[in-house]
Amino acid sequence: GESVGLHLPTLSVQEGDNSIINCAYSNSASDYFIWYKQESGKGPQFIIDIRSNMDKRQGQRVTVLLNKTVKHLSLQIAATQPGDSAVYFCADQSTGANSKLTFGKGITLSVRP
Amino acid sequence: DGGITQSPKYLFRKEGQNVTLSCEQNLNHDAMYWYRQDPGQGLRLIYYSQIVNDFQKGDIAEGYSVSREKKESFPLTVTSAQKNPTAFYLCASSWRGYTFGSGTRLTVV
Repeated sequence: GESVGLHLPTLSVQEGDNSIINCAYSNSASDYFIWYKQESGKGPQFIIDIRSNMDKRQGQRVTVLLNKTVKHLSLQIAATQPGDSAVYFCADQSTGANSKLTFGKGITLSVRP
Repeated sequence: DGGITQSPKYLFRKEGQNVTLSCEQNLNHDAMYWYRQDPGQGLRLIYYSQIVNDFQKGDIAEGYSVSREKKESFPLTVTSAQKNPTAFYLCASSWRGYTFGSGTRLTVV
């Protein structure tokens, strides 16, 4: 079946540095991709999304890159702050009836002061 | 404000008891989902419902039951058949992408 996985379980970065979180997906029919941030004891919150007709999308301090050729998704966080410490999930979804999001396992981002 | 509300935030269950977790949304979303999250783990799908009065099993439905009598509500019952129910439970609703509730932490005592 389809699955979305992450290359690394944890990432530690220095405050102020840029963070890059990577994700691989396997469903070639996926056309919508989302990054979520989950703080301890809370539900995941939407960060940014991208559709398959794009390869880059920017938000406030965050950028999502999509490489459909190798089925790779990445989240870049500029000038990482202590408040960015959380678990990050990527997810993908294909069009069609009853299509659900498929979530990756999550990666923990730890920001060193 | 539109959103999705889970209650209670914390729930304690004695062994052998059934407990029901509440999930309500006012986003007018057709689809709703229940996920289980264990410490340090990802999200595992328990049940989902694409429309009122219809629902399907997810990847780990054993020991759980749901109902979808109203569009706004999708309660999850953790039955005594669920042998390891201690976990963080997340409800979500969707149109395109998911909106999550704040979760219910269930502990067996």
